[in-house]
Amino acid sequence: ILNVEQSPQSLHVQEGDSTNFTCSFPSSNFYALHWYRWETAKSPEALFVMTLNGDEKKKGRISATLNTKEGYSYLYIKGSQPEDSATYLCAYDNYGQNFVFGPGTRLSVLP
Amino acid sequence: ETGVTQSPTHLIKTRGQQVTLRCSSQSGHNTVSWYQQALGQGPQFIFQYYREEENGRGNFPPRFSGLQFPNYSSELNVNALELDDSALYLCASQTGRSVDEQYFGPGTRLTVT
Repeated sequence: ILNVEQSPQSLHVQEGDSTNFTCSFPSSNFYALHWYRWETAKSPEALFVMTLNGDEKKKGRISATLNTKEGYSYLYIKGSQPEDSATYLCAYDNYGQNFVFGPGTRLSVLP
Repeated sequence: ETGVTQSPTHLIKTRGQQVTLRCSSQSGHNTVSWYQQALGQGPQFIFQYYREEENGRGNFPPRFSGLQFPNYSSELNVNALELDDSALYLCASQTGRSVDEQYFGPGTRLTVT
């Protein structure tokens, strides 16, 4: 059974703070890892698809890194804004057949 | 917007009843996956359909079944509803079976009483 973990479970930061959270996944037979941003009552929004060890991707103030050998990915948010408040999900891509999701990190950015 | 829609938004059913949830994918997306998200957990994979055939299944009993249609719509059917089936049900579509983003709908919230 594939196990994907995320930490912390929830996080409260002040506006302007930078923050990061972790996704851990099985390191053997790695295929791809996806990050999603999910606001309440909306569809999960794809942030990054990461496939190569050492990958670093960036979208505005959000960036992600990937270490497939040790089985973790970090998501960083620089200068958090209230609109960044959401649940951030990582999903281990099981060879395109299905995604195994972590439980998510719920981020609250306080103005 | 992801271009994936789901209906209904909310639904209340009684234990033992049957329910059908619907999903409309983007044109050209031949693969659709269904997920169940219980409170406090990440989405759990139910099954995937590719070109109208089931292409993989998670750890869900046979009373969870699905259909995919040529017009990029799909259904999730659940028979003999149980209280534990109360959850948010998400569908996600993608163009094929290789590494690809999955585009999610907003979900259907099912409550079983």
